[in-house]
Amino acid sequence: DGGITQSPKYLFRKEGQNVTLSCEQNLNHDAMYWYRQDPGQGLRLIYYSQIVNDFQKGDIAEGYSVSREKKESFPLTVTSAQKNPTAFYLCASRRAGEVSNQPQHFGDGTRLSIL
Amino acid sequence: AQSVTQLDSQVPVFEEAPVELRCNYSSSVSVYLFWYVQYPNQGLQLLLKYLSGSTLVKGINGFEAEFNKSQTSFHLRKPSVHISDTAEYFCAVIPMDSNYQLIWGAGTKLIIKP
Repeated sequence: DGGITQSPKYLFRKEGQNVTLSCEQNLNHDAMYWYRQDPGQGLRLIYYSQIVNDFQKGDIAEGYSVSREKKESFPLTVTSAQKNPTAFYLCASRRAGEVSNQPQHFGDGTRLSIL
Repeated sequence: AQSVTQLDSQVPVFEEAPVELRCNYSSSVSVYLFWYVQYPNQGLQLLLKYLSGSTLVKGINGFEAEFNKSQTSFHLRKPSVHISDTAEYFCAVIPMDSNYQLIWGAGTKLIIKP
């Protein structure tokens, strides 16, 4: 079955370390997204990518970086510049282009904690 | 600016009782509307969507929602809830402008009391 795989499910980081969260999809979707979820705050967009080798900042991009070298993959790096990285991170994808009303499909998330 | 407001952060309801989760939006252009459900420690799953046509849409797990353009609302309803409906529910819209990005509500936690 097609879907979105996020790994690992739980991740621990020491202060000052960069860490990369993986997101892979086999849905042949063009667009991919990273969200951060904190208790009681809903979803906040970190970065998104509409096509390979292109991505845009979302509402809270500071302290994060991404790459989109392959259609299937959209890894997120949480850098040491992100002062409060403890959160639940969700990756999503959707068809894009001419089909503008398609919903997003989500992975099961990665919970990042600071040691 | 476009926004989505979910009026209740938590909704407690007894098992087998009906429930309504409220969602209002603000947009200068027409929108597509969505409801998602998130079970604990999981990603979001699409419950239902309104793209066009009949304003009453039915989704999975017995949920339905009605689009009211004049009131800019898209409330989610279920006639009889089950303990397994305990989750957080998110309303989202896609404005029909050049951006086509989802705008999310803050979520409503549905708490089912036995």
